[in-house]
Amino acid sequence: GQQVMQIPQYQHVQEGEDFTTYCNSSTTLSNIQWYKQRPGGHPVFLIQLVKSGEVKKQKRLTFQFGEAKKNSSLHITATQTTDVGTYFCAGLGRDSNYQLIWGAGTKLIIKP
Amino acid sequence: DTEVTQTPKHLVMGMTNKKSLKCEQHMGHRAMYWYKQKAKKPPELMFVYSYEKLSINESVPSRFSPECPNSSLLNLHLHALQPEDSALYLCASSQEKRVGYGYTFGSGTRLTVV
Repeated sequence: GQQVMQIPQYQHVQEGEDFTTYCNSSTTLSNIQWYKQRPGGHPVFLIQLVKSGEVKKQKRLTFQFGEAKKNSSLHITATQTTDVGTYFCAGLGRDSNYQLIWGAGTKLIIKP
Repeated sequence: DTEVTQTPKHLVMGMTNKKSLKCEQHMGHRAMYWYKQKAKKPPELMFVYSYEKLSINESVPSRFSPECPNSSLLNLHLHALQPEDSALYLCASSQEKRVGYGYTFGSGTRLTVV
């Protein structure tokens, strides 16, 4: 079946350092969404990418969708303590209207 | 109103109990979902309702029974659960089809089965 691999599982960074998480799908995606889940919280929608090669920015966050629409990345510049949480990518298969295929998530941990 | 409201926030139930989880949204979204999330795992799809009709059932055991009374409400009826069913149960909604606004999740019900 369709899978979305997400790496790394964890990333420890010093506050102020950058953070990147990567997602790779086994099949071409219709679109890819990114969610953030704070500890003890629920997933919160960040953004959706639809077009091949698309790049979108939200302040310190940069999201990319690969040319083949099979991979995506989220890069955070100069992390802050408010960035702590687990970041999930979730892809929508080309043949599905509703079924998101979720990556395993990357947990961002800020080192004290 | 841009929220999905779930009640209760926490629930402890015995294996012989019957309980219900409730979810409400007033964003006019026509697709609603139940997800189950175990610790350190991504959400796992259970059910999808589209225009108040059950669209997808991801082979969920019959001890979980969804219900969509109207376009704003979604229930999940629980009966004879097992301890391994303890998890965070998330309700979500989205606009129909592939309109790109993502899913709006509720804050979830933390369920413990004893």
